[in-house]
Amino acid sequence: AQSVTQLDSQVPVFEEAPVELRCNYSSSVSVYLFWYVQYPNQGLQLLLKYLSGSTLVESINGFEAEFNKSQTSFHLRKPSVHISDTAEYFCAVSVGNQFYFGTGTSLTVIP
Amino acid sequence: EAGVTQSPTHLIKTRGQQATLRCSPISGHTSVYWYQQALGLGLQFLLWYDEGEERNRGNFPPRFSGRQFPNYSSELNVNALELEDSALYLCASSLGAWGTDTQYFGPGTRLTVL
Repeated sequence: AQSVTQLDSQVPVFEEAPVELRCNYSSSVSVYLFWYVQYPNQGLQLLLKYLSGSTLVESINGFEAEFNKSQTSFHLRKPSVHISDTAEYFCAVSVGNQFYFGTGTSLTVIP
Repeated sequence: EAGVTQSPTHLIKTRGQQATLRCSPISGHTSVYWYQQALGLGLQFLLWYDEGEERNRGNFPPRFSGRQFPNYSSELNVNALELEDSALYLCASSLGAWGTDTQYFGPGTRLTVL
């Protein structure tokens, strides 16, 4: 069975500090990987996705994620966070005609 | 451009009743997805419709059903409601019917079963 694991449910971090949100998946076949973000009082929206090619993908607001096939991971990183990055982050996997989401990581940036 | 819309915003039902939730996708999108977001469980994939056909369903009992209309809007029906069906139900749409497509989410319908 496929699954997505987000190891940290809550991550507090000080402003301008680096952050890593971890995501691991279980699948024996090729997958497509996504990170979605939900800002306070807003709907889910795509942050970035990996489909093929370069294993490092970036978003327009400074986040990046690296697909690691051997470790079946797709961790999300940002070298310096801002207050506005406070949100819920969801890792997701598309395999076959099924979609699997993690339980989410709540990132809180502390001034 | 209008985003994905869902109605109603909130729905309160009693155990055993039926609930109907509605979703209008972004104009031009042909695929609609339904998810259940129960407390502490993340998003659970329910159903996927494209061009009026059910493409796939998640691991939910048959009392969860739906359909997609010719204008690509969609309806989710939950029969014989149980207390554990209380959750936020999210609808998403995408331009195509491939697993690579970005899904655009609506604000959700909060279903409470008493």
